Amino acid sequence: TQLLEQSPQFLSIQEGENLTVYCNSSSVFSSLQWYRQEPGEGPVLLVTVVTGGEVKKLKRLTFQFGDARKDSSLHITAAQPGDTGLYLCAGGNTGGFKTIFGAGTRLFVKA
Amino acid sequence: ETGVTQSPTHLIKTRGQQVTLRCSSQSGHNTVSWYQQALGQGPQFIFQYYREEENGRGNFPPRFSGLQFPNYSSELNVNALELDDSALYLCASSLGAGIMNTEAFFGQGTRLTVV
Repeated sequence: TQLLEQSPQFLSIQEGENLTVYCNSSSVFSSLQWYRQEPGEGPVLLVTVVTGGEVKKLKRLTFQFGDARKDSSLHITAAQPGDTGLYLCAGGNTGGFKTIFGAGTRLFVKA
Repeated sequence: ETGVTQSPTHLIKTRGQQVTLRCSSQSGHNTVSWYQQALGQGPQFIFQYYREEENGRGNFPPRFSGLQFPNYSSELNVNALELDDSALYLCASSLGAGIMNTEAFFGQGTRLTVV
């Protein structure tokens, strides 16, 4: 069974701080996605990474896919209150229909 | 606004009852995936419908069933509700099977409470 473990589960930081959250698995995924979910809403896709070692940047967010395609990280620079939310990673395999989600990291950025 | 609409937004049911949840997919999308998200957890894959056929299923019992209609909207039916079925039910709309292969858009979810 493929599982994705996210850490930390909860993170509360001050505005302006940097942070990194992690997504780890013992299984290989052909691609991995990061989502952000706000209360009462569905997840919104932030990025998809498909190549081992790949790094993608989205404004203040930097995503990295591990060389072995078993792990990923999300780094946020100078966090803002608008970054508050649940960050979910999701893994899948080429041609597969099933997407595995981690339990998420709940981030709270204080003004 | 993703263009994916779920109804109802909230629902309270009694244990043993049956429930139907609905999802209108984004225009042009032919695939709908359903997920169950318990409090404090990530979404768990229930099943996917592609062009009106079930395309794959997660580890959910047969009392979870679904339909997809010619306009690609979808229903999730749950029979014999149990307390543990209380969760946020999400649908995701995409073009093509497998939400990892193309961008999927999630609805806002239906919050089901079983008492």
